Amino acid sequence: EDKVVQSPLSLVVHEGDTVTLNCSYEVTNFRSLLWYKQEKKAPTFLFMLTSSGIEKKSGRLSSILDKKELFSILNITATQTGDSAVYLCAVGAAGNKLTFGGGTRVLVKP
Amino acid sequence: NAGVTQTPKFQVLKTGQSMTLQCAQDMNHNSMYWYRQDPGMGLRLIYYSASEGTTDKGEVPNGYNVSRLNKREFSLRLESAAPSQTSVYFCASSRDGPQETQYFGPGTRLLVL
Repeated sequence: EDKVVQSPLSLVVHEGDTVTLNCSYEVTNFRSLLWYKQEKKAPTFLFMLTSSGIEKKSGRLSSILDKKELFSILNITATQTGDSAVYLCAVGAAGNKLTFGGGTRVLVKP
Repeated sequence: NAGVTQTPKFQVLKTGQSMTLQCAQDMNHNSMYWYRQDPGMGLRLIYYSASEGTTDKGEVPNGYNVSRLNKREFSLRLESAAPSQTSVYFCASSRDGPQETQYFGPGTRLLVL
């Protein structure tokens, strides 16, 4: 059975701190790993990763994938209160399978 | 360009009642999905439709049926609602397949008493 585990479950930081979120996975026939941000309502797409070692960046957010060790990290630098959200990791596999992790809840305090 | 829209936003049902959740997308996407989200459990796939005219079961299909009415619309039906189906339901779409970027609707909060 495919498994995606995110850690930590939740964390509280202060504005300006750096946050590192982890996503580890065990899937058969890996295709892609996706990160989403979920604020009050629907998840919104952040990154899709398919190759090991290539960092993707968008502003203060970045992510990298390690297909040998089967994990990905999402970094947020110089955090702001608007970064408060649940961050979801999802792993796609052959056969049109997509498995979501349970999410990491981030709270950024002013 | 509305993206993915869902109706209703909130619904209260009594056990045994039926209802249909509606979803539509205007991005000309081939694939559409229904998820449920429960506290601490992330998103779990109920059903998906890879293309118009096809539907497949996801991780938690029991108690639900779906209809891909056309390329734009994908509905989810609860024939006899149960308290265990209390959840937030999200519809999503992607160009081709679940491994691509999915765009989510705003969600439907369902309470079954």
